[in-house]
Amino acid sequence: EAAVTQSPRSKVAVTGGKVTLSCHQTNNHDYMYWYRQDTGHGLRLIHYSYVADSTEKGDIPDGYKASRPSQENFSLILELASLSQTAVYFCASSGNLGPSAETLYFGSGTRLTVL
Amino acid sequence: QQQVRQSPQSLTVWEGETAILNCSYEDSTFDYFPWYHQFPGESPALLIAIRPVSNKKEDGRFTIFFNKREKKFSLHIADSQPGDSATYFCAASNSGGSNYKLTFGKGTLLTVTP
Repeated sequence: EAAVTQSPRSKVAVTGGKVTLSCHQTNNHDYMYWYRQDTGHGLRLIHYSYVADSTEKGDIPDGYKASRPSQENFSLILELASLSQTAVYFCASSGNLGPSAETLYFGSGTRLTVL
Repeated sequence: QQQVRQSPQSLTVWEGETAILNCSYEDSTFDYFPWYHQFPGESPALLIAIRPVSNKKEDGRFTIFFNKREKKFSLHIADSQPGDSATYFCAASNSGGSNYKLTFGKGTLLTVTP
């Protein structure tokens, strides 16, 4: 089964601080995604990538950056964390046909609390 | 603009009943419609999916019904079990130009009462 590992599992950050969430997959998948989950909002796409060294904006990219240094790794960066970024963040990957043809495999999630 | 609408927000059924979860969409180019489920404290996982070449897709107790004309699709869970209690997300995507994007609904929290 596909394996997507996120770190840390939870984090408390201060407002204005920098936060980096990491994701590692061992599935040889081309596509990787960052979603945030908030009660009442479902899953919303922040950034995605379909090849190393390239990232694309999703539906809610403001306040977030992403980095894909290799096929296996995909990071989400909050340069100046804000209270509104408190949420659960999920990384996911899918094969080279993309999410319209292949299953999204999600990591275990990172619970971020910004104080 | 919410492209995938899901209802109800929460649903409680008795064990053995059929639970019906509904979704509608706006973008007529969408051609892939999966349902994901998420158990408390876990991550979402694919349950079942349909493409509009068919109006129905079955997998055990889970069935998707699809109505292209009305841009609606629903998940029916027959003989609901307490272990089915979870949040269910419908989603949709276009395998053409926006291939990267799977748009999720806001979710339905299903509770199956013994």
